[in-house]
Amino acid sequence: GAVVSQHPSWVICKSGTSVKIECRSLDFQATTMFWYRQFPKQSLMLMATSNEGSKATYEQGVEKDKFLINHASLTLSTLTVTSAHPEDSSFYICSANSGDSPYNEQFFGPGTRLTVL
Amino acid sequence: KNEVEQSPQNLTAQEGEFITINCSYSVGISALHWLQQHPGGGIVSLFMLSSGKKKHGRLIATINIQEKHSSLHITASHPRDSAVYICAVLSGGSNYKLTFGKGTLLTVNP
Repeated sequence: GAVVSQHPSWVICKSGTSVKIECRSLDFQATTMFWYRQFPKQSLMLMATSNEGSKATYEQGVEKDKFLINHASLTLSTLTVTSAHPEDSSFYICSANSGDSPYNEQFFGPGTRLTVL
Repeated sequence: KNEVEQSPQNLTAQEGEFITINCSYSVGISALHWLQQHPGGGIVSLFMLSSGKKKHGRLIATINIQEKHSSLHITASHPRDSAVYICAVLSGGSNYKLTFGKGTLLTVNP
């Protein structure tokens, strides 16, 4: 199946710094990518939908100025956690849709574990 | 009440046993996904289905749209099947939003 990569796989940072997470579709073009957050023993929660060449659509309660999303190409979306705080520590997962239809399969990245000290 | 409910939350089985994980949802959907998440966190998509039944190796997924229910079956379970299994539904309409269940932690003992 198609492969989605994330970088870095884990990151530890100090409170107040910004962290960028990359999500790449390696062997297909993804017009739509999704960013999720997962807290321990919780289900995945959609943060935002990233569309190539346009602004991301954020879910209710997700601060767009804190979680900056850029989808500059059909194979790359980035999530920047600005001025990170300990409560932002979580597992961040991206996924990419393999086509224009919602019925196309979503492929998930391996996730990035963020720890903010 | 969550839109997507899974049962059981935890399941322990002996190697070789037949496993069933259930998913019920309360919203109209256009498709349902079964996902597998290993301890390291990575997620693998097992199935996407909108009707009937799909089979891949030892895994079988069924869905009953009228009853808003889906099941994931694992035949001849093996310790390597130990993982969290997540049901996610794709809302009806033109958006791509997936709503996830909380997952079922499966442990298969040798």
